[in-house]
Formats: sequence, C-alpha cells, structure tokens
Amino acid sequence: KQEVTQIPAALSVPEGENLVLNCSFTDSAIYNLQWFRQDPGKGLTSLLLIQSSQREQTSGRLNASLDKSSGRSTLYIAASQPGDSATYLCAVGVDYKLSFGAGTTVTVRA
Amino acid sequence: DTAVSQTPKYLVTQMGNDKSIKCEQNLGHDTMYWYKQDSKKFLKIMFSYNNKELIINETVPNRFSPKSPDKAHLNLHINSLELGDSAVYFCASRAQGREQYFGPGTRLTVT
Repeated sequence: KQEVTQIPAALSVPEGENLVLNCSFTDSAIYNLQWFRQDPGKGLTSLLLIQSSQREQTSGRLNASLDKSSGRSTLYIAASQPGDSATYLCAVGVDYKLSFGAGTTVTVRA
Repeated sequence: DTAVSQTPKYLVTQMGNDKSIKCEQNLGHDTMYWYKQDSKKFLKIMFSYNNKELIINETVPNRFSPKSPDKAHLNLHINSLELGDSAVYFCASRAQGREQYFGPGTRLTVT
C-alpha cells in the first residue's frame, strides 16, 4: 500500500524567502506525481505534474523534482509572497489512482 | 467556464436521510473520481470511473453508490446518512496520463 508523507506539516516564512516542501512515498512504482494547492474552504488547484520518466518540472516560480528510486519529491517556490499562503498537497499516481499526503500548510508573512 | 462542477456546494441533512451529489466535467476526460476529505483535511479516493465503468472502489460502505450516466457525469448517492459521513466530497477528472482536475467540493454536514 502506498504511503505518502509530507514534511513539515506547517511552515511560516517571511516574504521573499524561498520555500522547500518535501514529499516522500514508500512504493517507487509510480506513474506520476502531482503537486496541488488548496486554499481554505476551496478545491484543489493543480500546480505541477511530473511523469515517472521525468526528473523535474518548472512553472514560473515553482520547480518540482522527482527522485523515484529514493521515493522523494521536492517542491521549491522561489521568492515567496503572501499570496502563496495555502496548503500544498503531494499526490502519487499509480494507474488510475492518486494517493495523497496530509499536506504542508504554508504561511508567508508580509 | 468551470471545468469540473459539483452541486450542491453545501448540504446539511439529518441522520438516516438519503442524498445525492452531482458532478459534471466539460474537459472531455475519460476518467472521473470521487474523493472524501475528512475533518483532518486528509484526502482519500472513494471511486473511479473510466468511460462509465467502475474501476476503483476503495472499500467504501455500500451505502455509497456512484452512477455515471455518461462520460461527462459522475453522481454520488448516499443512503442512510451517518454522522461520520460529514466531510467535504470532491469530484475530479483526468485524461489518460494527464493531471487530475478537481471540482470545488461539496461540504456535507450530517446532524
């Protein structure tokens, strides 16, 4: 059974600092890995999808890496802004199914 | 245009009642999902349909019955609601090998 862990559970940083969010998973036989953002009381917004054959994906200030062999992914957010405050979820895809971590709640202080 | 939509957004009902949540996607995706997010915000898959066929049923009580009348719709019917069913239910869809898109969620409160 796939277990997905996200560390830390919460993170508070001053504006402008770079964010590093970690995700680990127990079974390396994955199809892809997806990072989401969830604002309070809202749905999930897809940030990045990394296929199992890829090592990283970038979108604007966001960069996600994937190391399948060690069961790890890292989401980097450069030059954080107060608008980046949200919960970030990592989800590992196997066949048709996504297994989610519990999320990292980020607060960026102005 | 909303890609994945759900109705209703909020649902408050009493124990023992039967209720339905509807989901529609206009993305042309083949695969649709229902997820449950509990009070601790943990997201867990419940069902997945591919081309109207059930492919994942994650040991969900049989009081929950999904129905997919066509590829664009996946509805969730819940019988005999219990207090523990209170949660936010998310619908999602995906094209093969691509990212999942989520609906805005339905907050179900059972009193």
